[in-house]
Amino acid sequence: GENVEQHPSTLSVQEGDSAVIKCTYSDSASNYFPWYKQELGKRPQLIIDIRSNVGEKKDQRIAVTLNKTAKHFSLHITETQPEDSAVYFCAASYGNKLVFGAGTILRVKS
Amino acid sequence: DARVTQTPRHKVTEMGQEVTMRCQPILGHNTVFWYRQTMMQGLELLAYFRNRAPLDDSGMPKDRFSAEMPDATLATLKIQPSEPRDSAVYFCASGLSGTVSEQYFGPGTRLTVT
Repeated sequence: GENVEQHPSTLSVQEGDSAVIKCTYSDSASNYFPWYKQELGKRPQLIIDIRSNVGEKKDQRIAVTLNKTAKHFSLHITETQPEDSAVYFCAASYGNKLVFGAGTILRVKS
Repeated sequence: DARVTQTPRHKVTEMGQEVTMRCQPILGHNTVFWYRQTMMQGLELLAYFRNRAPLDDSGMPKDRFSAEMPDATLATLKIQPSEPRDSAVYFCASGLSGTVSEQYFGPGTRLTVT
């Protein structure tokens, strides 16, 4: 079935440390994997994405890795800052649509 | 900076009333998605359209929800009659079809049904 599992559900890190969020998907045909950041009361915003023909993508302090064989992908945030505190959602494509993970609440303590 | 817009931003209504939510996708985008977000269920896909045609509305309770795209610049989601369990934030997102691509979310409509 269409399923995306996301872990952990909550994550607290000290400012300056790294944060890693992991997701697994079920359909080997999935080929697009975006990550969204949602601040309290705001809309989800796309922060980075990766397609199945790429194993890793980086944009400043954030990076995403994809392991197609294991059907999992991860978000890495380095040198975390208080403004990184938010809910992060992963998603995987299933046909024409995206299925989202349940979200990870990231708290960066200063 | 093109953005998806949604109206109203907040809606409080009594059980049994009709609710209509509107979405204006980014100009040129031809796919529109409706999501519902609650604390318990995360982001659920309700329905989506491509080139104004409904592709999938299997996530929607059919007896009370309906989604339409009267034209390329307007998508609507209606609930009739509304129930307290419909209380949630409803997001619209738009994108370009072809291969699955980025979806851009609107600010959402926060619906409270009393």
